[in-house]
Formats: sequence, structure tokens, C-alpha cells
Amino acid sequence: GAGVSQSPSNKVTEKGKDVELRCDPISGHTALYWYRQSLGQGLEFLIYFQGNSAPDKSGLPSDRFSAERTGGSVSTLTIQRTQQEDSAVYLCASSSAPGETQYFGPGTRLLVL
Amino acid sequence: KQEVTQIPAALSVPEGENLVLNCSFTDSAIYNLQWFRQDPGKGLTSLLLIQSSQREQTSGRLNASLDKSSGRSTLYIAASQPGDSATYLCALLDSNYQLIWGAGTKLIIKP
Repeated sequence: GAGVSQSPSNKVTEKGKDVELRCDPISGHTALYWYRQSLGQGLEFLIYFQGNSAPDKSGLPSDRFSAERTGGSVSTLTIQRTQQEDSAVYLCASSSAPGETQYFGPGTRLLVL
Repeated sequence: KQEVTQIPAALSVPEGENLVLNCSFTDSAIYNLQWFRQDPGKGLTSLLLIQSSQREQTSGRLNASLDKSSGRSTLYIAASQPGDSATYLCALLDSNYQLIWGAGTKLIIKP
């Protein structure tokens, strides 16, 4: 594709509900990254995929967060039993290989009421 | 633990001026360093990437330098324009392929 796409662009949910965020990387990019940007705070690394594997999951804030990638392409970030502190912009990026320039999607703005 | 600091946090200059944004880091064991810009309500745009073995990169009016020994990088913007107004973020890629981010410099170019 022309760029990284993410869906939905905005999501409002109630506390305790599960949400699923989707990322479509640039076609052919083997590396995919998830970040979180909370209001008034900096960017926080969540998880990175090389192909379908995630070598390091230590950035996930809690066990309510999980991510998967299938077919070396689309990735989903799932947040279970959402809490208000999960409200943030969730950004996805991809690169042609680990260590190469990361290209970012527009993000998903999540608001947990 | 790697820490990335950007100074100043905000900067306002008249159009046409040359300016320098600073980024410092505590651990020189980096894979590469990237400068991004973020426009309000929008995603991140990669501006320049400097590999660990490189000293600088240039793109148009932008020049980024890297000095690992001193833990510093600078982003030089020549002949600033109102369209350059954005938040500029410095990020280091560590050996685990994690991007460690600075808090950003909010730049306003006054017409």
C-alpha cells in the first residue's frame, strides 16, 4: 500500500470493554511496531514484530494488552477490560527491515469513558 | 537505561531565521537516530535517519548531525518557514529495535 493505515481512526469505549486496533503496514515491510502516546506525555514503545514473531513483549503495559501479526502483514493490538488510563493515541509503524526508517500510520485515538 | 532529552521544549522564531534543535542521550550504544515531525492531530513524519556509523544527514533545508561520543544530535533548519511549525521529536533505536523517544520541541515560526 501507499502508506501505513490504521483502523479505526477513533474509538470511544466504556471501561471494562475489550477493544481491537488494526494496523496495515506498507506492503513488503517485514518489521512492524506499536507505540502509545498519552495526553501530555511522550511516545512509549509497546511491541515490535519481525515477520509474525515478537522478540520482545516487555513494553506492553500489562497482561491486558496483547498483539499479534498474521501473514507477515496485518497486526492487531487488543486491549482487554479497558481502563481509563488506556486512553491514548496508539500508533503503528513499519519498516522494510529492523533498523531502517520507520513510517508511521495516522494513529487510533482511544478514549475510555 | 537510555534517556533522551530535547532542548528547548518550545521555540518561537520569526520566519527566515536559521535554527537548531538539540537532542541528547545518555547511552551511546545506539543503532540509529531519527528525527520526526508531528503536526497537531496527525501522525509522525520521518525527516532524517542517521545510522550509528554516520555523522550527519541532509535533506533540503534540514541537516541532522550525530556525535555519539558526546551523546548529542542536532537538527538544523535553514531559512525557516511558517510551514515548519510542528513538534520535532528525536528518537534513538536501541539494540532491541526499540525507539526511545525524546519529549519533543514545539516549534512555532512566526510569519
